[in-house]
Amino acid sequence: GAVVSQHPSRVICKSGTSVKIECRSLDFQATTMFWYRQFPKKSLMLMATSNEGSKATYEQGVEKDKFLINHASLTLSTLTVTSAQPEDSSFYICSASGRGAGGDLAGGTYEQYFGPGTRLTVT
Amino acid sequence: KNQVEQSPQSLIILEGKNCTLQCNYTVSPFSNLRWYKQDTGRGPVSLTIMTFSENTKSNGRYTATLDADTKQSSLHITASQLSDSASYICVVRRGGYNKLIFGAGTRLAVHP
Repeated sequence: GAVVSQHPSRVICKSGTSVKIECRSLDFQATTMFWYRQFPKKSLMLMATSNEGSKATYEQGVEKDKFLINHASLTLSTLTVTSAQPEDSSFYICSASGRGAGGDLAGGTYEQYFGPGTRLTVT
Repeated sequence: KNQVEQSPQSLIILEGKNCTLQCNYTVSPFSNLRWYKQDTGRGPVSLTIMTFSENTKSNGRYTATLDADTKQSSLHITASQLSDSASYICVVRRGGYNKLIFGAGTRLAVHP
């Protein structure tokens, strides 16, 4: 259980175009999804947290107009990189948490389960 | 300040040897601590999770320890294999919060 998928696994786009990355929880309802960015040889950096049906909460320094996050259902969140530039090239990883994944914690929170990541290259 | 520090930053060992990776944290309140393995170009995969009351947990050749008093954890890899070459990330969760606090990771290379 607790499987999270991402699509696509790799994408190459031209500068100025927009690209959408999908994150799906396959066997549980993800009330909360997280989007991370990872630079080479660095650890994951949280970009934003999204709760189903609500606006995403962005971390300091992350442009919300550039990285559009939609969490319209309990199994799907999307990250759209708008007007992508070469500096947006990175590895994007999502994680999901929610009831039914087997990771219930105290205080009403749940464990996060990570997707396999999406490699974005902007040329 | 809530932080997770890992050492060493990188490590090279020969196939078949053992190694131990370290993690120190200053996270409060503490909920749990996870060790993840991340292969290049892949998402993190959980190896172990430990709560406050657990001192050790094993997953095959991986054994994690936790000392909640000194706020230290270690990951011991026994009889290393080439496939163990990856980054190992220590992650601590604050009690009552959804956000995770990541260490910078230890990059392990296992050579034949």
